[in-house]
Amino acid sequence: GDSVTQMEGPVTLSEEAFLTINCTYTATGYPSLFWYVQYPGEGLQLLLKATKADDKGSNKGFEATYRKETTSFHLEKGSVQVSDSAVYFCALRGLSGGSYIPTFGRGTSLIVHP
Amino acid sequence: DTGVSQNPRHKITKRGQNVTFRCDPISEHNRLYWYRQTLGQGPEFLTYFQNEAQLEKSRLLSDRFSAERPKGSFSTLEIQRTEQGDSAMYLCASSEGSLNEKLFFGSGTQLSVL
Repeated sequence: GDSVTQMEGPVTLSEEAFLTINCTYTATGYPSLFWYVQYPGEGLQLLLKATKADDKGSNKGFEATYRKETTSFHLEKGSVQVSDSAVYFCALRGLSGGSYIPTFGRGTSLIVHP
Repeated sequence: DTGVSQNPRHKITKRGQNVTFRCDPISEHNRLYWYRQTLGQGPEFLTYFQNEAQLEKSRLLSDRFSAERPKGSFSTLEIQRTEQGDSAMYLCASSEGSLNEKLFFGSGTQLSVL
């Protein structure tokens, strides 16, 4: 079945550092890929998405490129802020058993220090 | 638009009791999803509805779990004869149902089984 693998956290960075959170996936066909973010005390919300190979999703300075050849969708940001501290979830939406079911990774916690 | 609403926010129950959670999706959304999330893990898919039809229920964790969406609006998730292993955050999400859909999550119901 479909699955998503994320790097383990927490990732701890200083403000203005470069961020990469790795995500790889297993799916049949051509899934859509997503990054969701969960800020402390809040529900998950969509950060960015990409729907086909080589697409780049971007939002709030974050970027991720859909790499079909490496089945990856790594999240990057050039300069993180304290306010980016949150848990980040990689997800895919693929066809599984005849239904399009969104599947999530385990999440990666990001802590940004001033 | 008040977002996805889940009630109650917290539920404490004794082992063996039945519990029911409610989810009110965004009003124009025809798809509704239920997930379970345990500490340090990502959301685990349970079931979903397209309007009032339950399209995927094979991943409900056991026959003690059931869900309904009687009029295609709000939904309920019931757990019968609760066990300590059922303790988790239960998340509801809704979407418009487009092919590359964005999920809108509620804040969840935290269940503690004593």
